Amino acid sequence: KAGVTQTPRYLIKTRGQQVTLSCSPISGHRSVSWYQQTPGQGLQFLFEYFSETQRNKGNFPGRFSGRQFSNSRSEMNVSTLELGDSALYLCASSSRPNSYEQYFGPGTRLTVT
Amino acid sequence: GENVEQHPSTLSVQEGDSAVIKCTYSDSASNYFPWYKQELGKRPQLIIDIRSNVGEKKDQRIAVTLNKTAKHFSLHITETQPEDSAVYFCAASIRGSGYSTLTFGKGTMLLVSP
Repeated sequence: KAGVTQTPRYLIKTRGQQVTLSCSPISGHRSVSWYQQTPGQGLQFLFEYFSETQRNKGNFPGRFSGRQFSNSRSEMNVSTLELGDSALYLCASSSRPNSYEQYFGPGTRLTVT
Repeated sequence: GENVEQHPSTLSVQEGDSAVIKCTYSDSASNYFPWYKQELGKRPQLIIDIRSNVGEKKDQRIAVTLNKTAKHFSLHITETQPEDSAVYFCAASIRGSGYSTLTFGKGTMLLVSP
């Protein structure tokens, strides 16, 4: 089975712009979670989707949003980018909520200048 | 919400030594505790996990122990090798809640010197 894929792998944006990141889960997996990884804060939960519905949301401002499509692919969007949004954005897929194993994608490295 | 503390933040050992990384969690409802290894520039990889109905789990050179009463769990790596060098993250989660949300510790950078 192919693993979790994320596109693009690297992105450079300017403050004030918006960005959309994409995640394709492992085939057959229907649950997708997003995490932000920074050196200072570590791995922080952004949101989780299952069957096109947001199941849970972390403590991030409304500029961070996401969605999931009927084929389980997920996108996250960050509007009005700030310098502090520079991070590695990771998605993780699992077969369903409450399943024990989650597998991470390679991440998208976002740099905001 | 859940809070996970991880210590130490860095750990240097000689090849062949053992390494121990400790985590504490705050939410007594947490019942699933995975450990991830992240090599430089790569994705976090699940290396071992433990559920709250088990006190210890072993997989070759890696073991994890859980003390529910004290709300702490530990990763033990024996006979360390240079390829064990990476950042290790512990996490806690509540399975059965309808979510898969993981709360992570801040990570431990393990350096194994030949």
